[in-house]
Amino acid sequence: AQSVTQPDIHITVSEGASLELRCNYSYGATPYLFWYVQSPGQGLQLLLKYFSGDTLVQGIKGFEAEFKRSQSSFNLRKPSVHWSDAAEYFCAVGAGGSQGNLIFGKGTKLSVKP
Amino acid sequence: SAVISQKPSRDICQRGTSLTIQCQVDSQVTMMFWYRQQPGQSLTLIATANQGSEATYESGFVIDKFPISRPNLTFSTLTVSNMSPEDSSIYLCSVEWGGGATDTQYFGPGTRLTVL
Repeated sequence: AQSVTQPDIHITVSEGASLELRCNYSYGATPYLFWYVQSPGQGLQLLLKYFSGDTLVQGIKGFEAEFKRSQSSFNLRKPSVHWSDAAEYFCAVGAGGSQGNLIFGKGTKLSVKP
Repeated sequence: SAVISQKPSRDICQRGTSLTIQCQVDSQVTMMFWYRQQPGQSLTLIATANQGSEATYESGFVIDKFPISRPNLTFSTLTVSNMSPEDSSIYLCSVEWGGGATDTQYFGPGTRLTVL
């Protein structure tokens, strides 16, 4: 069965420091992969997505993610974190031909220290 | 991307009652989805709602508990019926947008439901 694992429940980084959020997936075919961010009291905003091609994808707000098939990973990175990045981050994998059936990880809560 | 709104944004309800959540999209879309996010948990797909057909429910969700309407290509409702405190969650609708194999899901702001 398809699954997504985000090993880190909560991460705290200092403002200006680099960030990497981990995501591992289990999927039988080429996955469609997504990162979403949920700010307090808000819905989910799409940060970036991978369907095919270049394994390093750029997203909004300075985020990027790298698809590594050999490691079944799709880690999210940002070189310099801003206080406004504090939020919960969800990795998701598309489980079918339509993107409708997204499987989400449990999320990683990011706190940013001043 | 599509702009999605939901009503209400939050509500507090008594057990045994029902609440209907509305989802409005600013563009016509074929596929709309309803998710549940229980406190401290991730998102779980409740059902897929295509215009002109019955909603398709995921394992563990039934139509009697979560009836869904999809009267046109820009609107859908989800009703949470006979509520219990276990139904306290954020309910989010999403739509598939982009066209073709690279469709992406965009989410509404969610409805935060508390059942007493």
